[in-house]
Amino acid sequence: DIVMTQTPLSLSVTPGQPASISCKSSQSLLENDGKIYLYWYLQKPGQSPQLLISEVSNRFSGVPDRFSGSGSGTDFTLKISRVEAEDVGVYYCMQSKQLPRTFGQGAKVEIK
Amino acid sequence: EVQLLESGGGLVQPGGSLRLSCAASGFTFSTYTMNWVRQAPGKGLEWVSAVSGGGDVTFYSDSVKGRFTISRDNSKNTMFLQMNSLRVEDTAVFYCAKDETGRGYFDYWGQGTLVTVSS
Repeated sequence: DIVMTQTPLSLSVTPGQPASISCKSSQSLLENDGKIYLYWYLQKPGQSPQLLISEVSNRFSGVPDRFSGSGSGTDFTLKISRVEAEDVGVYYCMQSKQLPRTFGQGAKVEIK
Repeated sequence: EVQLLESGGGLVQPGGSLRLSCAASGFTFSTYTMNWVRQAPGKGLEWVSAVSGGGDVTFYSDSVKGRFTISRDNSKNTMFLQMNSLRVEDTAVFYCAKDETGRGYFDYWGQGTLVTVSS
């Protein structure tokens, strides 16, 4: 199975400041079709997960542009340019290059 | 509006069985791969199983293979997860998720249903 490792697992951010979460995969997520099947999901407190970013860097419909994704191969990053109170929750990266789909441990973002 | 509504969770003893349902609306159900993802209390997300749009292709995580069976009834826009030989470690909230592309693009999730396995 592909192991997804996120760092840090917890971060406390002042509103308006940037935040960054790293996700590393145990093997390359580059598929034969040239795509990289790396996704970011956010689970807000008491809610179901929601899709933020698909294929490394594509924001899902309605996701604010303060969220951005980058990376290649095995190293990926989710950045929030200016954290807002509504961004609190646990952020998960997930790979779907191969089965089983695997998630990172989750990174909890709190507001200072 | 896309809606996914899970049901069927509850308390069951170890070794018991439970059948979860996910009722879908707001999209052409038979076109999309559907998934089950679970979350143990206070833990992270774990992908469990997937079924193709036609229901003929299924996938399972090793942790549930041989015990769980995923299926769907496209005439009723409903997906199922038959869970047998349940273990304490299966205790979790089970979410159904629609996969837009069949490659992990879980664009819509249900609210989840809690399965508790305990004696």
